[in-house]
Amino acid sequence: DGGITQSPKYLFRKEGQNVTLSCEQNLNHDAMYWYRQDPGQGLRLIYYSQIVNDFQKGDIAEGYSVSREKKESFPLTVTSAQKNPTAFYLCASSILVGGPQNEQFFGPGTRLTVL
Amino acid sequence: AQKITQTQPGMFVQEKEAVTLDCTYDTSDPSYGLFWYKQPSSGEMIFLIYQGSYDQQNATEGRYSLNFQKARKSANLVISASQLGDSAMYFCAMREAGNEKLTFGTGTRLTIIP
Repeated sequence: DGGITQSPKYLFRKEGQNVTLSCEQNLNHDAMYWYRQDPGQGLRLIYYSQIVNDFQKGDIAEGYSVSREKKESFPLTVTSAQKNPTAFYLCASSILVGGPQNEQFFGPGTRLTVL
Repeated sequence: AQKITQTQPGMFVQEKEAVTLDCTYDTSDPSYGLFWYKQPSSGEMIFLIYQGSYDQQNATEGRYSLNFQKARKSANLVISASQLGDSAMYFCAMREAGNEKLTFGTGTRLTIIP
């Protein structure tokens, strides 16, 4: 089945540790995105990538890093520099067509808790 | 800068009734798209409906319709004949043409009462 997978579903991290969240898609989408969701808030864009080996910062990129070595994969690393990393992280993908109509398809999310 | 406002933090609706979820937006770009997503307790975001700024008619998808009032910059979601499975968070989002960024509102938690 086509879709987006994120792993793990739940992740616990000690303060000061880096952790990498996985995102894989088999939809053949060009663009991939990482969002962060805090309780009572909407989604905020961390990073996005429109093509392999290229990515752009979103609104809240500080303390995060990404890579896009393959079209299907867009892992997110939460570094120790991220001061408040406990949140729900959602990965998304979309096709790239001119115009604003491209819907984004989302994965099931990873809930990160810093102990 | 694009901005989305959802003023209803929570709503309770009787099963089988229609419900309207409010969304207003702000943009200076004449070309943009508006989206509604549903987020059940599992966390996954489910795309519901899309409305383009140049679309002449309001979008409809099954029980979902979008009441698009361009002059008022509002894009309210209407759910007809609500069901218990409609209980979830609902997010309005917008993207301007040429901008990959999708801006989300803070969401409305809808609870359907049997």
